[in-house]
Amino acid sequence: DGGITQSPKYLFRKEGQNVTLSCEQNLNHDAMYWYRQDPGQGLRLIYYSQIVNDFQKGDIAEGYSVSREKKESFPLTVTSAQKNPTAFYLCASRPAGANVLTFGAGSRLTVL
Amino acid sequence: ELKVEQNPLFLSMQEGKNYTIYCNYSTTSDRLYWYRQDPGKSLESLFVLLSNGAVKQEGRLMASLDTKARLSTLHITAAVHDLSATYFCAVDAGSGTYKYIFGTGTRLKVLA
Repeated sequence: DGGITQSPKYLFRKEGQNVTLSCEQNLNHDAMYWYRQDPGQGLRLIYYSQIVNDFQKGDIAEGYSVSREKKESFPLTVTSAQKNPTAFYLCASRPAGANVLTFGAGSRLTVL
Repeated sequence: ELKVEQNPLFLSMQEGKNYTIYCNYSTTSDRLYWYRQDPGKSLESLFVLLSNGAVKQEGRLMASLDTKARLSTLHITAAVHDLSATYFCAVDAGSGTYKYIFGTGTRLKVLA
């Protein structure tokens, strides 16, 4: 079945450590997105990528980095520069020319 | 910067009642989307509204878009417990960016 796989589902990190969240899709979608979800704040856009080897900052990119070396993969690194990284992270994808996002199941990051 | 606001943030209603969720956005856009999120789960697409005056209905939910007022509504008719979820609207920032900005979400609880 086609879909988006995010891993790990739960992740604990000590302060000062970088961590990478994986997002893989087998939908052959061109565009991929990372959102952060906090209670009461909805979803906020971190980074998005329309094509391979290209990506744009969203509204809260500081403290995060991404790469898009392959069409099916869009990993997100949460760096130690991110002051409040505890959140639920959602990856999404979209085929070229379409409007609707397909979301993964999410990764919950907790900083201890 | 595009801002998307939803109200109410929380809604508790009795089964069988009607209610409307509102989504206001701050800049010109003619593309608006509604998503549903069950607790601890990912988001799934409900409606895609692509022009002024667009109306879509699915079961007890009906969404509409007024681009001149920069307003979309999600109307719930004769609510049932299964509709309990968080509902998000999202707006395309426009100009071919495919950058989707989400509202804060409305957490709906339908009481039996």
